[in-house]
Amino acid sequence: DVKVTQSSRYLVKRTGEKVFLECVQDMDHENMFWYRQDPGLGLRLIYFSYDVKMKEKGDIPEGYSVSREKKERFSLILESASTNQTSMYLCASSPRGTDYEQYFGPGTRLTVT
Amino acid sequence: GENVEQHPSTLSVQEGDSAVIKCTYSDSASNYFPWYKQELGKGPQLIIDIRSNVGEKKDQRIAVTLNKTAKHFSLHITETQPEDSAVYFCAARFTGAGSYQLTFGKGTKLSVIP
Repeated sequence: DVKVTQSSRYLVKRTGEKVFLECVQDMDHENMFWYRQDPGLGLRLIYFSYDVKMKEKGDIPEGYSVSREKKERFSLILESASTNQTSMYLCASSPRGTDYEQYFGPGTRLTVT
Repeated sequence: GENVEQHPSTLSVQEGDSAVIKCTYSDSASNYFPWYKQELGKGPQLIIDIRSNVGEKKDQRIAVTLNKTAKHFSLHITETQPEDSAVYFCAARFTGAGSYQLTFGKGTKLSVIP
């Protein structure tokens, strides 16, 4: 069964802290994505990766960075968390190519205080 | 870049009735249009998709129609059931740079009233 897991369901961090969100997929997918979901704004792409060590900016990359050292793992990093980064973060993966289903993890609800 | 507008933002229907959600997109080069369903506490899951060379696609109670000229596509759910209650997102992929990227609509919260 297809599976995307995220390291935490809920996370509370303080302003200025460095935050790591981890995502692991077990489907040998080449593509991995990080989205942010906010009420009334839908899903917005932060970064995606189409191969190990490769990354591309999405629509809202400011304040975030990513790391993909292994095919199955894609990390989202908030270098210095701010309150406006309080949100639900969703990771997804898909096979190589463009018109394939994206499989989503359950999400991490991050609160920055 | 691509822009996807989705309406309505909320929709309530009686069990057994039909539900229709509409999306418009801005980039005429878009060629792939998936629909995702997100249940409470879960990540979105693909329920149906359509490519630009097709005008309609059906899967049991769910259908999607695409009008390329008008640049809009719609999700139709017939004989709605309580388990259809969820947030639905449309998306579009345009063929320009960054073609791995889907642009999502803002979502429609569907409530099916028993």
